Amino acid sequence: NAGVTQTPKFQVLKTGQSMTLQCAQDMNHEYMSWYRQDPGMGLRLIHYSVGAGITDQGEVPNGYNVSRSTTEDFPLRLLSAAPSQTSVYFCASSHPGLADQETQYFGPGTRLLVL
Amino acid sequence: AQSVTQPDIHITVSEGASLELRCNYSYGATPYLFWYVQSPGQGLQLLLKYFSGDTLVQGIKGFEAEFKRSQSSFNLRKPSVHWSDAAEYFCAVGVNNNDMRFGAGTRLTVKP
Repeated sequence: NAGVTQTPKFQVLKTGQSMTLQCAQDMNHEYMSWYRQDPGMGLRLIHYSVGAGITDQGEVPNGYNVSRSTTEDFPLRLLSAAPSQTSVYFCASSHPGLADQETQYFGPGTRLLVL
Repeated sequence: AQSVTQPDIHITVSEGASLELRCNYSYGATPYLFWYVQSPGQGLQLLLKYFSGDTLVQGIKGFEAEFKRSQSSFNLRKPSVHWSDAAEYFCAVGVNNNDMRFGAGTRLTVKP
């Protein structure tokens, strides 16, 4: 199993540009989420999905869109990038159940710089 | 409001010395509690977790943590630190993934 994979590893954008951060998992996990990590603030939840076709907002959703057409993939879209979106983005997945409830598996992250 | 506090931004210990990383939380009920480790340029890896039962939990890499309800704390410990333990450590609390709150992290430096 590759686990949770993210692409690209690093991206530079200009203000106003759009892009999609890719996330895929091969563990058949129902739950997937996107976090951003900023210095001194830990991780904050952007959006999450409890299954294909179902998404919802987290703590800091503004400026980001998501969709979940398959169990495996959960892309994060920035429609018009802003310098405030400079951050490291992590995708995570989990499979709620008695044995491993709420344990999330994280991807390696995407470092985004918006100029 | 839910919150997680890791009071120490940066800790330096000598290799072989003991380690304790502090985590305090504010939550309406007893949440699930987690410790994650992040090596440079990597994602987060779960060290250990507490859901219920024995308040002293064992994790990977020789780490353990103790849940103290009266102090709303979940401190991480290791008896003897190895150079490879140098990393950033995050405490997280929540009752489900949608509600998870992470601390700001503690960076651990290990001196030879």
